[in-house]
Amino acid sequence: SQQGEEDPQALSIQEGENATMNCSYKTSINNLQWYRQNSGRGLVHLILIRSNEREKHSGRLRVTLDTSKKSSSLLITASRAADTASYFCATDAGGNKLVFGAGTILRVKS
Amino acid sequence: DAGVIQSPRHEVTEMGQEVTLRCKPISGHDYLFWYRQTMMRGLELLIYFNNNVPIDDSGMPEDRFSAKMPNASFSTLKIQPSEPRDSAVYFCASSLNGGGGEKLFFGSGTQLSVL
Repeated sequence: SQQGEEDPQALSIQEGENATMNCSYKTSINNLQWYRQNSGRGLVHLILIRSNEREKHSGRLRVTLDTSKKSSSLLITASRAADTASYFCATDAGGNKLVFGAGTILRVKS
Repeated sequence: DAGVIQSPRHEVTEMGQEVTLRCKPISGHDYLFWYRQTMMRGLELLIYFNNNVPIDDSGMPEDRFSAKMPNASFSTLKIQPSEPRDSAVYFCASSLNGGGGEKLFFGSGTQLSVL
């Protein structure tokens, strides 16, 4: 079963715009991670945020975590055509198991 | 490092045949995970190993599925006999210290089609 659910399912924006994707989860977590998947490829880790952190930055990526609402958001600023991909949040379901959400498909038009 | 290596990249087989998927994790990583990705069910964790020992196989759908890790640099996922509903992309991933607080490194996947 999927712990995290991303919203929206799909997002289409123009190059240069910001893209925001949201993730909601059901149970308490220790960490939340975001991954990117280009078409026909494996997932690539983007960023990890721990439950005691509220915000984290990595280049053009900004991730927030609200444990009271059991939600996280991924913001990609100044998007590029190369950002076109699917984005997944993943939560630790206890132990060493990462459970992935259904993903958001992002299309950046040039 | 070459990253996680999976083979084959594509596999087309007929129902009832045995299928073996292979994975070479990143050297030094103690954890290896097998995931399956479909449109309907998304990414599902099938099984994971720690130091070559299977720790949790609760995601393995049926007895037709089996996984082994004979040494630190090699793992297989076998389906026998295969069925059309097994068609999916199978990913192998490895991590240094576990999947919870550590990032996973994924292979490129094996696209399996069972006719």
